[in-house]
Amino acid sequence: NAGVMQNPRHLVRRRGQEARLRCSPMKGHSHVYWYRQLPEEGLKFMVYLQKENIIDESGMPKERFSAEFPKEGPSILRIQQVVRGDSAAYFCASSPHAGARIIMNTEAFFGQGTRLTVV
Amino acid sequence: TQLLEQSPQFLSIQEGENLTVYCNSSSVFSSLQWYRQEPGEGPVLLVTVVTGGEVKKLKRLTFQFGDARKDSSLHITAAQPGDTGLYLCAGGIGGTSYGKLTFGQGTILTVHP
Repeated sequence: NAGVMQNPRHLVRRRGQEARLRCSPMKGHSHVYWYRQLPEEGLKFMVYLQKENIIDESGMPKERFSAEFPKEGPSILRIQQVVRGDSAAYFCASSPHAGARIIMNTEAFFGQGTRLTVV
Repeated sequence: TQLLEQSPQFLSIQEGENLTVYCNSSSVFSSLQWYRQEPGEGPVLLVTVVTGGEVKKLKRLTFQFGDARKDSSLHITAAQPGDTGLYLCAGGIGGTSYGKLTFGQGTILTVHP
């Protein structure tokens, strides 16, 4: 009974490199949300995707960041030309459909996150 | 832009003491959720409140949603060292954006034995 799976758990990139973060939602879920958590801050919404569609990207930086959720495969959050300020924990959550409230519990609708460190 | 102000930011208490964490906003939310997050892990849901004035209890934790659905509180009775962690409140606007949550900045709770 796998929950939301994120990989890698830890990612180290040099300034200027690209970072790719992957999120596999729970089985049967077609809605994915990405959040970013900076050190000692709460989570900030970035983007909401359905299969092959970006629904709401109001929290995404305008440059260097992109997200996709293809028909097959995991959702990808891509950060190009990373800078030190991109260092953060990136979390993914999933839901079965728009009308369902996300319930995040120990059996997991929320992934464990990817810790990105830019050196 | 909806904002959630969470206070206090840091709380350090002795085992057995009581504490309250507050979450306030000028915006109305359709739901308010409380999470606990351990270092290196994702947030784990503790409770969801949806009705103004609603009170929910989870063992030694009591959660309340304000009548106007703009604020919430988390009260812990007789805190234990195992309660140590980051507590986050998050508000949802519902509709077709249930997963789009506005989070408070969190309260780091340390309970000393």
